[in-house]
Amino acid sequence: GAVVSQHPSWVICKSGTSVKIECRSLDFQATTMFWYRQFPKQSLMLMATSNEGSKATYEQGVEKDKFLINHASLTLSTLTVTSAHPEDSSFYICSARIRQGVSYNEQFFGPGTRLTVL
Amino acid sequence: RKEVEQDPGPFNVPEGATVAFNCTYSNSASQSFFWYRQDCRKEPKLLMSVYSSGNEDGRFTAQLNRASQYISLLIRDSKLSDSATYLCVVNDLMYSGGGADGLTFGKGTHLIIQP
Repeated sequence: GAVVSQHPSWVICKSGTSVKIECRSLDFQATTMFWYRQFPKQSLMLMATSNEGSKATYEQGVEKDKFLINHASLTLSTLTVTSAHPEDSSFYICSARIRQGVSYNEQFFGPGTRLTVL
Repeated sequence: RKEVEQDPGPFNVPEGATVAFNCTYSNSASQSFFWYRQDCRKEPKLLMSVYSSGNEDGRFTAQLNRASQYISLLIRDSKLSDSATYLCVVNDLMYSGGGADGLTFGKGTHLIIQP
């Protein structure tokens, strides 16, 4: 149980294009999904918190107009990297948290999406 | 700014050895603590939660010292398959409740088990 999928698993695009990444919780409902980014040899950095039916909350330094997040249902959140540039090349990982009621705050991670912008 | 500090390593240890990792966190209000394992180019996977009383799962033992804001992970009888990056992870909320409360990750400690 508690499987999270991401699509695509990798993408290569030209500078200036937009890329959409999907994150799905396959066998549970997730009121909250998180988007992280990991550069080589760095830790995962939280980009934004996405709550179903409301606007995402972005971490300091993350441009909300560049990284568009939509959490339209309890099983799907999307991250769109608009006008991607080479410095946006990174490993993007989503995670999902099960609805209220659990005694600890475990998050289940998707397999990640490796974005390369040429 | 919430921070989690770890020794990046790499730790090179022979198979069968015991190895320990340490981690410190800056936010004294932190509530939940975890060790995750991340293999190269993969997503992190939960290894174990860390409880105040300390806890053990097979060859793995985790300890928490709230007064010193210090977390440790001990791996006994290390296996080749234990080679990975171990991430110390902290969260400030006990229960789910929405909001900007994602996990704060350390940079990880790279472990290499040698045959």
